[in-house]
Amino acid sequence: DIQMTQSPSSLSASVGDRVTITCRASQSIGTYLNWYQQKPGKAPKLLIYTASNLQSGVPSRFSGSGSGTEFTLTISTLQPEDFATYYCQQSYSSLMYSFGQGTKLEIK
Amino acid sequence: EVQLVESGGGLVQPGGSLRLSCAASGFTFSGYWMTWVRQAPGKGLEWVANIEKDGSQKYYVDSVKGRFTISRDNAKNSLYLQMNSLRVEDTAVYYCGREWGPIDYWGQGAPVTVSS
Repeated sequence: DIQMTQSPSSLSASVGDRVTITCRASQSIGTYLNWYQQKPGKAPKLLIYTASNLQSGVPSRFSGSGSGTEFTLTISTLQPEDFATYYCQQSYSSLMYSFGQGTKLEIK
Repeated sequence: EVQLVESGGGLVQPGGSLRLSCAASGFTFSGYWMTWVRQAPGKGLEWVANIEKDGSQKYYVDSVKGRFTISRDNAKNSLYLQMNSLRVEDTAVYYCGREWGPIDYWGQGAPVTVSS
């Protein structure tokens, strides 16, 4: 099974800050890495697919990079609506997808 | 507009069964893999199972193998999750999703509580 590990688990930041979240895979997954945003009581929302592709309708302040086993999600200039929990997900093997444990982004 | 609407959640005793449904609209249902993801209270996302476009391939997370069955009816644009031998640890909100690797559309979620 492919294990996904995010860091940090929680993060405090201010509006206007630049924020980076890291996701590591237990084995190489190429660029089969996706990022989601989830707000309390809501379904997750796809932000980035295959490591660096911005999903339609997602603001350009979100970006993703990486390949192999290490990936990052960057929010260039935090907006109030960005405070949420972020998850990475590997889709390298359809036999068993897996998510990271999540990173909660809170207001400082 | 793509819509996914889950139903069938509720309270069930340990060892019981429940069947979740997901009604899809706004896209060609038979053209996509579909998936179930769950989220226990206060916890992260856990992928549960997925099913190929024609239902010929199905995959499950180890913790539900032999207890849960994913299926679909392309004529009815519907996805199902039959859950048997339910355990307390299966308590979660269950989301259905349209996937092609990434899950680009999600339902609103169906809460399942397993408790005596």
